[in-house]
Amino acid sequence: EPEVTQTPSHQVTQMGQEVILRCVPISNHLYFYWYRQILGQKVEFLVSFYNNEISEKSEIFDDQFSVERPDGSNFTLKIRSTKLEDSAMYFCASRPGLAGGPPPYNEQFFGPGTRLTVL
Amino acid sequence: AQSVAQPEDQVNVAEGNPLTVKCTYSVSGNPYLFWYVQYPNRGLQFLLKYITGDNLVKGSYGFEAEFNKSQTSFHLKKPSALVSDSALYFCAVRLQLMDTGRRALTFGSGTRLQVQP
Repeated sequence: EPEVTQTPSHQVTQMGQEVILRCVPISNHLYFYWYRQILGQKVEFLVSFYNNEISEKSEIFDDQFSVERPDGSNFTLKIRSTKLEDSAMYFCASRPGLAGGPPPYNEQFFGPGTRLTVL
Repeated sequence: AQSVAQPEDQVNVAEGNPLTVKCTYSVSGNPYLFWYVQYPNRGLQFLLKYITGDNLVKGSYGFEAEFNKSQTSFHLKKPSALVSDSALYFCAVRLQLMDTGRRALTFGSGTRLQVQP
């Protein structure tokens, strides 16, 4: 069964450093998402991406964050200058949409997450 | 703005007993509703969803949920709990708005289900 994959599983970085979190969505999916979950808290939406552009973003997704789909396969989240409060589990998700493959069109499939620790 | 409330931080139930994990939502239109489960150090696994049609939705691992529009609820249920059901459960909502992808999931705060042997 196809699945969303994410690398690395755990990233440790120093405050102020740039990090890139990588995701490979399910093939033929058209909609891509990043969510994060600070330890012990709820899952929060960061950004959605469709047709090579951001379609929606939350207030969390400020200028320090950017997303990219560089090669039609990977979907990356970059944090330019990490802060201590960026420490969280980051989840990538994808969904097919009506034109993106067989149903279920509206279900978001989540990756296993990348645990980011900022020291 | 849409929101999801899971009023219980933790639900404890004995193995073999029925379980209910509560969820209420608030949206300005018609909702798509979802339940996800998270096991320790794992990602979110889809359990079930309500899109349209029958208000009682059946999902993975024997779970079901009932959509109640008048009470804006989507409680998760299982007739007979297993110890292996112990995990963190999240309710989520998004708007039905054609299929633009312009509505991300809004999650509840999660409910930890503890099933005792």
